[in-house]
Amino acid sequence: EPEVTQTPSHQVTQMGQEVILRCVPISNHLYFYWYRQILGQKVEFLVSFYNNEISEKSEIFDDQFSVERPDGSNFTLKIRSTKLEDSAMYFCASTFRAGGGDEQYFGPGTRLTVT
Amino acid sequence: DAKTTQPNSMESNEEEPVHLPCNHSTISGTDYIHWYRQLPSQGPEYVIHGLTSNVNNRMASLAIAEDRKSSTLILHRATLRDAAVYYCILRRGTGNQFYFGTGTSLTVIP
Repeated sequence: EPEVTQTPSHQVTQMGQEVILRCVPISNHLYFYWYRQILGQKVEFLVSFYNNEISEKSEIFDDQFSVERPDGSNFTLKIRSTKLEDSAMYFCASTFRAGGGDEQYFGPGTRLTVT
Repeated sequence: DAKTTQPNSMESNEEEPVHLPCNHSTISGTDYIHWYRQLPSQGPEYVIHGLTSNVNNRMASLAIAEDRKSSTLILHRATLRDAAVYYCILRRGTGNQFYFGTGTSLTVIP
């Protein structure tokens, strides 16, 4: 069964450093998403991406964040200058269509630890 | 986005049915009701969704109230692997992302 994959599974970085989290969505999917989950808290939407541009973003997704689909398979989330509060699990998701009745497929997540 | 209300936690004995309730009194006509679950240290996983009619799939059943202001996820025989946080989410017909609440943490007792 096709699945969303994410690398690395765990990333440790120092405050102020740039990090890139990588995702490979399911191959025929067209809509891509990033969510984050701070330890012990709920899953929060960050950004959605379609047709090579951002379609929606939350207030969390500020100028420190960017997303890119550099080729036909990868979808990346970049944090330019990490802060301690960026420590969280980051989940990538994808879907073929974005209608109300379409489910999203989530990856296993990348645990980001900022020290 | 429309809000859902779920109990913080529930317990079930293994191999017994589990009924997980969700209230969504402000649901609109175009909102789909989705259920996802998150096993420990994993990403959210799709369980089931519906609009107006009850739905069944290999994982669970979804019972939707006639006025659509509440729904119930039914796991027919709970297993230890079903221990997870279950999220009830409303998604607009023209919506894009999911808004997760705090969900119900299900404990399955052997």
